Amino acid sequence: DAGVIQSPRHEVTEMGQEVTLRCKPISGHDYLFWYRQTMMRGLELLIYFNNNVPIDDSGMPEDRFSAKMPNASFSTLKIQPSEPRDSAVYFCASSPVRAGDGYTFGSGTRLTVV
Amino acid sequence: QQQVKQSPQSLIVQKGGIPIINCAYENTAFDYFPWYQQFPGKGPALLIAIRPDVSEKKEGRFTISFNKSAKQFSLHIMDSQPGDSATYFCAAFTGRRALTFGSGTRLQVQP
Repeated sequence: DAGVIQSPRHEVTEMGQEVTLRCKPISGHDYLFWYRQTMMRGLELLIYFNNNVPIDDSGMPEDRFSAKMPNASFSTLKIQPSEPRDSAVYFCASSPVRAGDGYTFGSGTRLTVV
Repeated sequence: QQQVKQSPQSLIVQKGGIPIINCAYENTAFDYFPWYQQFPGKGPALLIAIRPDVSEKKEGRFTISFNKSAKQFSLHIMDSQPGDSATYFCAAFTGRRALTFGSGTRLQVQP
């Protein structure tokens, strides 16, 4: 089992550019979560999916952020246009159950917007 | 209602010491309280968890103490080792949402 796979590991982009982060969840996990980690705010939930359907996107900061899950093995988080305050580590996690246990996190994507 | 407040922000202890990390919550609908451990460059990983029907849970050197009436829970690390140096997150779960995390505690165990 390769775990949750995120790409790229690091992304540096200029303000105003589009950024796409990618996630491959563990096979068989029906839940997929996107979190953002910053020093100031810790780990914040952005959005989560169940069986490829977005369930709760109340944590998405603004319309510049969008997330999709076209199939059970792939999800994207897109920021367009990017801003310096979007700089953070973005984590994807998956879980086989709705309960709070069973979350497996990827290694994250460190995004820097200059 | 969904917040979990964690303290301290950082903690330095000597090897063998017992670091204690505290968390508090408001939402009484939370029914599962895990702790996650994160090493640099890695994602958080589940360390230990407790449900509100028990007051304490031990796994190896890690213990969760839970005070339901005070809506507080804490992590104790017995005989801490330099390898325990990491960031620790408390979290809380209610079936209506995903895990809500505290702000994290950066622990450094000095040799």
